[in-house]
Amino acid sequence: SQKIEQNSEALNIQEGKTATLTCNYTNYSPAYLQWYRQDPGRGPVFLLLIRENEKEKRKERLKVTFDTTLKQSLFHITASQPADSATYLCALIDNYGQNFVFGPGTRLSVLP
Amino acid sequence: SAVISQKPSRDICQRGTSLTIQCQVDSQVTMMFWYRQQPGQSLTLIATANQGSEATYESGFVIDKFPISRPNLTFSTLTVSNMSPEDSSIYLCSVERTGTGYSEAFFGQGTRLTVV
Repeated sequence: SQKIEQNSEALNIQEGKTATLTCNYTNYSPAYLQWYRQDPGRGPVFLLLIRENEKEKRKERLKVTFDTTLKQSLFHITASQPADSATYLCALIDNYGQNFVFGPGTRLSVLP
Repeated sequence: SAVISQKPSRDICQRGTSLTIQCQVDSQVTMMFWYRQQPGQSLTLIATANQGSEATYESGFVIDKFPISRPNLTFSTLTVSNMSPEDSSIYLCSVERTGTGYSEAFFGQGTRLTVV
């Protein structure tokens, strides 16, 4: 069956450290994968997209990798700050290229 | 980008009643999407709403329970009918913008529904 999994429901790290979040998928063949941030009481907000032919993408303190062999994406936040505390969702397009499918999310807490 | 206004932002409703959620987009879009997000879980697509045609519902969701209107290219409503406590959830509307070889999803702020 098709599914998307994210490594943990919650992740606590110390301020200044690098947070690493994992997204694994099964029985999908996405042309690209996306990461969203969701704050409490808000809808998700797009952060980064990485295509299947890209190994790595960076945006300021964010870095995303995409391994289509492992069927996995890693999302890194370097020099993390308490303001980075949120839920992070990975998402991909289904095999029909029509609808987004979202992972369950990882709730990140950056402790001062 | 797209700016989406969704209301109400939250509501507490009695069992057996209905609630209509409104979603307004700042520009014309072909498709609008309605999601449900239950506590601690990810987004589940309820239906896709195209202007001028009936909405397309995902498995597990039916029109009688979640009727959708799409009267024009910037507006949609989702009604949660005959509510029960199991319908307590966050409901989100979404649109997509297409770039070169990809789509990006934009969301309203969500409607937090509690059924008592």
